[in-house]
Order: sequence, then C-alpha cells, then structure tokens
Amino acid sequence: QSALTQPASVSGSPGQSITISCTGTSSDVGGYKYVSWYQQHPGKAPKLMIYEVSNRPSGVSNRFSGSKSGNTASLTISGLQSEDEADYYCTSYTSSPTLVFGGGTKLTVL
Amino acid sequence: QVQLVQSGSELKKPGASVKVSCKATGYTFSSYGINWVRQAPGQGLEWMGWINTNTGNPTYAQGFTGRFVFSLDTSVSTAYLQISSLKAEDTAVYYCAREALSGYYPDYWGQGTLITVSS
Repeated sequence: QSALTQPASVSGSPGQSITISCTGTSSDVGGYKYVSWYQQHPGKAPKLMIYEVSNRPSGVSNRFSGSKSGNTASLTISGLQSEDEADYYCTSYTSSPTLVFGGGTKLTVL
Repeated sequence: QVQLVQSGSELKKPGASVKVSCKATGYTFSSYGINWVRQAPGQGLEWMGWINTNTGNPTYAQGFTGRFVFSLDTSVSTAYLQISSLKAEDTAVYYCAREALSGYYPDYWGQGTLITVSS
C-alpha cells in the first residue's frame, strides 16, 4: 500500500488560511469516509485534529476543517497562529483493509 | 481521562530483541483496538498494524511480518510490541494508539518509545 501524497511543506502568515492536500486512490481516500488528520509538534506524539473527513474532536479549534473531493482530502487551517506550526499527517482506511498515512506536511508560520 | 503510557527508551545491539509496553487507563481496554505506528528519525508516520483487544487477533501491515509481534495482557490493560532480530533500520520511535470506537482511525496516542539499535 503506497503512502498518500501530501505536499512536503506549506507556509502562511499569521491570520491567513492554508490548505494541505492528501491524494490517494479510489481504494483508500476516494472509497471511504475514514480520512483523518493529525498534528505533530517536534518531539511530541501526534494529535487527532479531524476524523471521518470533516469532524473535529472535542477541544480542537474550529479554525481546523476538513473536506474531500474524489480521491483528494484537504485540511484547511484558517486564522493561522504561531502554535499551528507543526507537521501534519493524513491517514485513510483502505480496502486491504489497512490504514495508510500520508508522507507528512511541514507547516511554517512566517 | 484516556491515557496510553508507554515504556521508556531502549538501546539495543543488533540481533537482540525488545518489548515495548503500552498501558491503557481511563476506558474499557477490551472495547478498543490498539494500533502500532513507527516513526524513523526525521521521517513520517508508518502504520505497523493493529491488535483486536477483544479477540487478541493481530493484523500486520506489509513489511511488519515475521520479526514483529503484537500481544496483550488484558488483566493489566496493556498491549505489547515485540521486535526480534533487531537491525539498525529498526531505530525509531514506536507509538501505540487507540482505535476509535467507530473504527478505522487512531484517536488517542501514547507518548512514544524510542528504540535505538546500535553496536
């Protein structure tokens, strides 16, 4: 199972919005509603930010939102803040059945 | 509250074995599966597989068969990852992560265990 495709890096200024894409196939992202997103700060464990494409766990800021179109899922962060600077990973359930992660995206807040 | 507490860092020689523990508190252990995820230094997350904590049945991802074994001790709400015949390329942080009740994604994560394999 190949990793999902994410951009290696994205950047934005405080207050701006950014979107991170996560591209898979019809056997994973496109075929199921089970796409989730994780935030990982250096030296820390990942934290669930979005589950089932667009749902936010309790306690996660509403500045974080998720969507999906075809085989590509997206994470949007609005009103960028310095604490949003981190690595972000998508994951999807697959038809194998397994889980597959994206390669990760480093978000820099300028 | 839900917590997954993993055992501490280990330094091992090539060819040795290691067993990482993941103790769960704050929920009914047998109601949620446990995923294992590897993160090599400077690299991304890699799903290793998961274990059904109700049946004990493990599922291993491609590349994690043979030397990797998932097990449980439900009496102490603990999951284990054992790696045998360690190689330098096994050097990584290993995370356990609880499977969400609706399934198909990890919701709570342990703090990670660094395994370093070096002669």
